[in-house]
Amino acid sequence: DQQVKQNSPSLSVQEGRISILNCDYTNSMFDYFLWYKKYPAEGPTFLISISSIKDKNEDGRFTVFLNKSAKHLSLHIVPSQPGDSAVYFCAARTSGSRLTFGEGTQLTVNP
Amino acid sequence: ETGVTQTPRHLVMGMTNKKSLKCEQHLGHNAMYWYKQSAKKPLELMFVYSLEERVENNSVPSRFSPECPNSSHLFLHLHTLQPEDSALYLCASSHLAGGQVEQFFGPGTRLTVL
Repeated sequence: DQQVKQNSPSLSVQEGRISILNCDYTNSMFDYFLWYKKYPAEGPTFLISISSIKDKNEDGRFTVFLNKSAKHLSLHIVPSQPGDSAVYFCAARTSGSRLTFGEGTQLTVNP
Repeated sequence: ETGVTQTPRHLVMGMTNKKSLKCEQHLGHNAMYWYKQSAKKPLELMFVYSLEERVENNSVPSRFSPECPNSSHLFLHLHTLQPEDSALYLCASSHLAGGQVEQFFGPGTRLTVL
């Protein structure tokens, strides 16, 4: 039973445009949601998180939106840059420290 | 060294070998984790250590044996592995309490079992 799903395995956007990465979840007990970025041959790097009591969190070019009624979150990157090309993982936290990850979305930003 | 380091970065082993993966965190964290990432699958949590005690074991086969001698070091001992165990093994650490949510990952060990 996959509790966190990223239905798009890949996304391609032009430099300067907006990238929107999506994530759906099923467990209403998740209290935090996180986004990680992963380059080849490196471990995942934390990007941004959002508490389940918020609907938006912004950090520079990255904004995460949470729609609890739809059990959906999204990561917006504006403007997209070629260096943003990586695999993006959505993760969700239950009580304590356990994180449940999605399958990842490969973002390619074309110059 | 900073952050979370893992050695070796690559490992090829036969099914009868015994090897160990090492993880070290330089962040002063009090929790450490082992994850497995297979191709096109989500990261799977294997083990969690909090304050050097194993608090979670996610139905992992006994051919994987973790060890956490102190809060900065974590090992994963491997023996009689199967080819399907070939994957990227990631170590992570975090600070429990203080409102920190994120885990910090090492670069991983790419394991190939022949």
